[in-house]
Amino acid sequence: GDSVTQMEGPVTLSEEAFLTINCTYTATGYPSLFWYVQYPGEGLQLLLKATKADDKGSNKGFEATYRKETTSFHLEKGSVQVSDSAVYFCALSDNTGGFKTIFGAGTRLFVKA
Amino acid sequence: DTAVSQTPKYLVTQMGNDKSIKCEQNLGHDTMYWYKQDSKKFLKIMFSYNNKELIINETVPNRFSPKSPDKAHLNLHINSLELGDSAVYFCASSPYGDTQYFGPGTRLTVL
Repeated sequence: GDSVTQMEGPVTLSEEAFLTINCTYTATGYPSLFWYVQYPGEGLQLLLKATKADDKGSNKGFEATYRKETTSFHLEKGSVQVSDSAVYFCALSDNTGGFKTIFGAGTRLFVKA
Repeated sequence: DTAVSQTPKYLVTQMGNDKSIKCEQNLGHDTMYWYKQDSKKFLKIMFSYNNKELIINETVPNRFSPKSPDKAHLNLHINSLELGDSAVYFCASSPYGDTQYFGPGTRLTVL
């Protein structure tokens, strides 16, 4: 079945450092790919998404490119801030009419001032 | 206006009790979900309804029973609560299984 694997955390960075969180997926069809972010004490919220190969999703300085050849959707940000400290989830959604979103295990990011 | 709301936000109860969590969305979405998030932040889907019809029912004990009175509401009733049910429960909605919109969560603590 479909699955999502993301790098284990926690990831600890200093402010203004470069961030990469790796995500790879397994899917039989052509899924949409997502990054969600969960701030402490809150629900998940969409950070960015891409719906087809080579699409780049971007939001709030974060970017991720849908790479079909490597089945990856790595999250990057050039300069992190303390306020980016959160848990990040990679996810895929089956576009063949199913209603299931598969989430990765989440990666906790700590950013130090 | 809150898009997806849940009540209560916190629920503390004794083992063996029965409790309910309510969820409402005002986004006009056809699909609603219940997820369980454990202490390690792992998110597990429990149920999904599309237009009031159950379409996803993962391996969840039958002590958990979802009910959807209309497509804007999806409630979760839990019978005979156990210690292992302690978690954060999230309701979510989406249009056609695409982007998920999550509620703020209900932290359930079973003593």
